[in-house]
Amino acid sequence: KNEVEQSPQNLTAQEGEFITINCSYSVGISALHWLQQHPGGGIVSLFMLSSGKKKHGRLIATINIQEKHSSLHITASHPRDSAVYICAVRAPAQKLVFGQGTRLTINP
Amino acid sequence: SAVISQKPSRDICQRGTSLTIQCQVDSQVTMMFWYRQQPGQSLTLIATANQGSEATYESGFVIDKFPISRPNLTFSTLTVSNMSPEDSSIYLCSVGGVMNTEAFFGQGTRLTVV
Repeated sequence: KNEVEQSPQNLTAQEGEFITINCSYSVGISALHWLQQHPGGGIVSLFMLSSGKKKHGRLIATINIQEKHSSLHITASHPRDSAVYICAVRAPAQKLVFGQGTRLTINP
Repeated sequence: SAVISQKPSRDICQRGTSLTIQCQVDSQVTMMFWYRQQPGQSLTLIATANQGSEATYESGFVIDKFPISRPNLTFSTLTVSNMSPEDSSIYLCSVGGVMNTEAFFGQGTRLTVV
């Protein structure tokens, strides 16, 4: 079993829909990262969380430390949100461990 | 924050040759990380590059195949040596992500070996 599990693996939605991507992990962590990977391969950091909730524009990330679970939400989705979203966790003094990614496609 | 310039962005190489990937950071950083992302897979850490010392390689990766240079606190190179088609991947450099800091990544190098 992977230390970091994301669901769904693939998600297709219509423009304007509310999107949720989930991440579950099995180890104690000091921080969780949500990353966005564009088709060219480059990766952009969206959020780093250790507790609670963060919001940036149409993106919201939440984390429940007790349940070892995080969600990334996108409100009013747009075709430019189409990308692979990756969850990564860091256990104390350990390297980052990455999920398999969720491929999101938003159709106009 | 940190801005990382990585090049080349993509290359198609003949088997048996070597390719050197460069990463330039806009600020001084202690550690730089090199990752490989094989097609359809997640990121795997190749090595951690520290300035002034040998890189630390993860299990399954060796210096002869992936030599790394770190001449100063803003620059690093990764060479993929004696390439085979199995080396076709996206290679990424990264900084941060330690001690609860944000992680930053280069634009990635999409390598195809033919």
